[in-house]
Amino acid sequence: KAGVTQTPRYLIKTRGQQVTLSCSPISGHRSVSWYQQTPGQGLQFLFEYFSETQRNKGNFPGRFSGRQFSNSRSEMNVSTLELGDSALYLCASSSGDVRPEAFFGQGTRLTVV
Amino acid sequence: QKEVEQNSGPLSVPEGAIASLNCTYSDRGSQSFFWYRQYSGKSPELIMFIYSNGDKEDGRFTAQLNKASQYVSLLIRDSQPSDSATYLCALSGGGADGLTFGKGTHLIIQP
Repeated sequence: KAGVTQTPRYLIKTRGQQVTLSCSPISGHRSVSWYQQTPGQGLQFLFEYFSETQRNKGNFPGRFSGRQFSNSRSEMNVSTLELGDSALYLCASSSGDVRPEAFFGQGTRLTVV
Repeated sequence: QKEVEQNSGPLSVPEGAIASLNCTYSDRGSQSFFWYRQYSGKSPELIMFIYSNGDKEDGRFTAQLNKASQYVSLLIRDSQPSDSATYLCALSGGGADGLTFGKGTHLIIQP
C-alpha cells in the first residue's frame, strides 16, 4: 500500500513569491491535513480537508490556503512569502472517519531567501 | 487553547533499559492520544495511539493514559540504539479538529 506522497521535497523561493505544495494521501483516505514544523514552534496545524471541503483551520494568516481535489489529492499555497515561512511542511493522511490516526508524508522543505 | 507539554530532554537511557516518556495536556475534552517518533531530518512516524484510560501494549511499546490526571506516557522496553529519536506526543479532541503536538522529547539510547 503506497504511503503519503509529497512533492516537491525541497524548494527555495524568494521573499514575496508564492509557492504551491502537493500531497497525495494513502489510497482510500479522504482526509488531508497540513502542518508546519519549525525548530522554535514545533508542529503546528494549518488546515484539514475532507471530501474537497476545508473542515478545520489553525491559526495561520490568510496567505496560507489549500484545496482538495475529487481524488483526495491536496495542494497548499502560500502567497507573498516571508522569511519566517521557511519550514518543513508536512501533509498527513487519514481516513477521515471516527479513527483519526494520521500518517505523514516525507514533507517539503521550504527555504525562503 | 489546547496545550501539550513534554520535557524536551535530552533523555539518556542505557541500551536494554526502559525509556519512559511523559506528556501532560490541558484540554479535558481531548479524546485521542498519539505517540509519533521522528528521526532527524525525517517525518513523524506513528507508533501508538490510545483512546481509553489504562495501558495499551504493542511489542516493546506501552502507552499509558490517565484522563483524570491529564497525563499520557510511552514506555519503551529493551531500548535499542535505533530508538534514539525525538518522540512527539499529540492529541485530538475528536471530530474535525487537527492534531495538537507537543514539542517532543529527544531520546538518546546509549550503547
